[in-house]
Amino acid sequence: ETGVTQSPTHLIKTRGQQVTLRCSSQSGHNTVSWYQQALGQGPQFIFQYYREEENGRGNFPPRFSGLQFPNYSSELNVNALELDDSALYLCASSSSTGGNTEAFFGQGTRLTVV
Amino acid sequence: EDQVTQSPEALRLQEGESSSLNCSYTVSGLRGLFWYRQDPGKGPEFLFTLYSAGEEKEKERLKATLTKKESFLHITAPKPEDSATYLCAAFSGSARQLTFGSGTQLTVLP
Repeated sequence: ETGVTQSPTHLIKTRGQQVTLRCSSQSGHNTVSWYQQALGQGPQFIFQYYREEENGRGNFPPRFSGLQFPNYSSELNVNALELDDSALYLCASSSSTGGNTEAFFGQGTRLTVV
Repeated sequence: EDQVTQSPEALRLQEGESSSLNCSYTVSGLRGLFWYRQDPGKGPEFLFTLYSAGEEKEKERLKATLTKKESFLHITAPKPEDSATYLCAAFSGSARQLTFGSGTQLTVLP
């Protein structure tokens, strides 16, 4: 049990719709990162938030956006969904932005776009 | 661009048959090399972090080692419950993100 929880666990959306995924970080962790994992692939970095500010971004278009709240919970928003957005979305929390601490992952949200 | 490559893609072992998984990396300014275990439909579970060449860490039947270009995850006398996908990821100071490999899917047969 990592203390990182994500909701919902599964979601089906139609192409063109918008979706919001939620993550509750482990207590005391001020950094949250979001990843997209396609079937059979490793997770791909979307972005990171530190103290409610975006702190780094991977190669994802602006229709992927996020928020981090004062209680360190966070959201991933995806607009204008495309079929290729179907994937497992993972959030990971850690106590720093550097590479010297472990990132603990939630169980993920499986998004299916039809 | 940071790159992490894992091999083999899939590995089938008999229970008790030891082996190693490989993770080669090309990153600018490695800050940490992470190993995770992932079960189907679940999030990755943290196993180890290695910070410098020559470092080794052990946990039960698993031992992770690090050189300047690759990391190995050695599995000694595996059991069927060790079956999972093993992911490695590199954290670079320049990218400030975890770059993952595609994973090795390990199956341990009883």
